[in-house]
Amino acid sequence: DGGITQSPKYLFRKEGQNVTLSCEQNLNHDAMYWYRQDPGQGLRLIYYSQIVNDFQKGDIAEGYSVSREKKESFPLTVTSAQKNPTAFYLCASSGRGRSNQPQHFGDGTRLSIL
Amino acid sequence: RKEVEQDPGPFNVPEGATVAFNCTYSNSASQSFFWYRQDCRKEPKLLMSVYSSGNEDGRFTAQLNRASQYISLLIRDSKLSDSATYLCVVNMRSSGDKLTFGTGTRLAVRP
Repeated sequence: DGGITQSPKYLFRKEGQNVTLSCEQNLNHDAMYWYRQDPGQGLRLIYYSQIVNDFQKGDIAEGYSVSREKKESFPLTVTSAQKNPTAFYLCASSGRGRSNQPQHFGDGTRLSIL
Repeated sequence: RKEVEQDPGPFNVPEGATVAFNCTYSNSASQSFFWYRQDCRKEPKLLMSVYSSGNEDGRFTAQLNRASQYISLLIRDSKLSDSATYLCVVNMRSSGDKLTFGTGTRLAVRP
């Protein structure tokens, strides 16, 4: 089945530690996105990539890093510089070049601080 | 003013009721519009796109009013399974494929 796979489902971070969240898609989508959702709040864009080897900062990129070496994969690293990392992280993808393309989401990773 | 605004609710309605949500957007250059549904502690799922002429999918009807810069979602004959948060989502072509999400309207359908 085509879809977006995020792993792990739950992740715990120790202080000073970097952690990496995985996102893989087999939908042949060009564009991929990372969002953060805090309780009772909307989705906020962290980073996005419209093509392999290229990515742009979203609205809240500080303390995060990404790479896009393959079309299928867009991992997100939450660095120790992110002081409030506890949140629900969502990865999404969409076909590029069509402005009416919706985004499709993975089932998310919940990150907590130990 | 927020780019996309929604009434957070909750809207508490009995089964079988008709309920409508509105969402306003601030940028008149907005090009594409969607409604997503998000269940508690789950990912958002696309409910329907919103087309200029309005569109219907079963019990769900979406409307766009460009002059007043709002979109609406009407749910007829509400089911218990419709209980969720409904997210209004807007795309501006000038921002590429980035979407802006509203904070959502919570719907609770009671027996």
